Amino acid sequence: AQSVTQLDSHVSVSEGTPVLLRCNYSSSYSPSLFWYVQHPNKGLQLLLKYTSAATLVKGINGFEAEFKKSETSFHLTKPSAHMSDAAEYFCVVSDSGSSNTGKLIFGQGTTLQVKP
Amino acid sequence: AAGVIQSPRHLIKEKRETATLKCYPIPRHDTVYWYQQGPGQDPQFLISFYEKMQSDKGSIPDRFSAQQFSDYHSELNMSSLELGDSALYFCASREGGVEAFFGQGTRLTVV
Repeated sequence: AQSVTQLDSHVSVSEGTPVLLRCNYSSSYSPSLFWYVQHPNKGLQLLLKYTSAATLVKGINGFEAEFKKSETSFHLTKPSAHMSDAAEYFCVVSDSGSSNTGKLIFGQGTTLQVKP
Repeated sequence: AAGVIQSPRHLIKEKRETATLKCYPIPRHDTVYWYQQGPGQDPQFLISFYEKMQSDKGSIPDRFSAQQFSDYHSELNMSSLELGDSALYFCASREGGVEAFFGQGTRLTVV
């Protein structure tokens, strides 16, 4: 069965410093992996996705993630944090090999705080 | 571009009442998911539909049911509401197993 573990429930950085949000996954099949962001009282917005193409994935708002199969990781990074990045971030795995639907499994979420 | 539309955005119900949440997926998307997100929680999978047939079932209570109609919109029906059902309910749609697009959610408050 597939699962996702976000290693930090809360990350605090200063504006202009790098961001690292960690995610490890477990999947029996070739996974599709996603990062979604959720601002307070808002819906979930896709930041980026990995679907077995390039292992370094670029997303919106300057975010990137690298798929490392040997480490079963898909960490999210950004070189320089902005105040508007403060939000909840979810790492999501979809078991694309098991069915057409590929149910989405969410990690526990990481709250990113950006200090001025 | 068209997004996933959910209605209503907010809903207040009393205990033991019923509620119906609606979801209109992005045109041509063949899969619809329903998720429940409690306060401070990650979204929990409830149920999904592929081409109007139920495809997977998660932690959906027996008091809840859902269906997808011929026009691909989906409805989540919730009966005998309990205080613990208060949550944000998300619908998402997807085509071909790539990324899912989420609606803004319906915030249900049971009082």
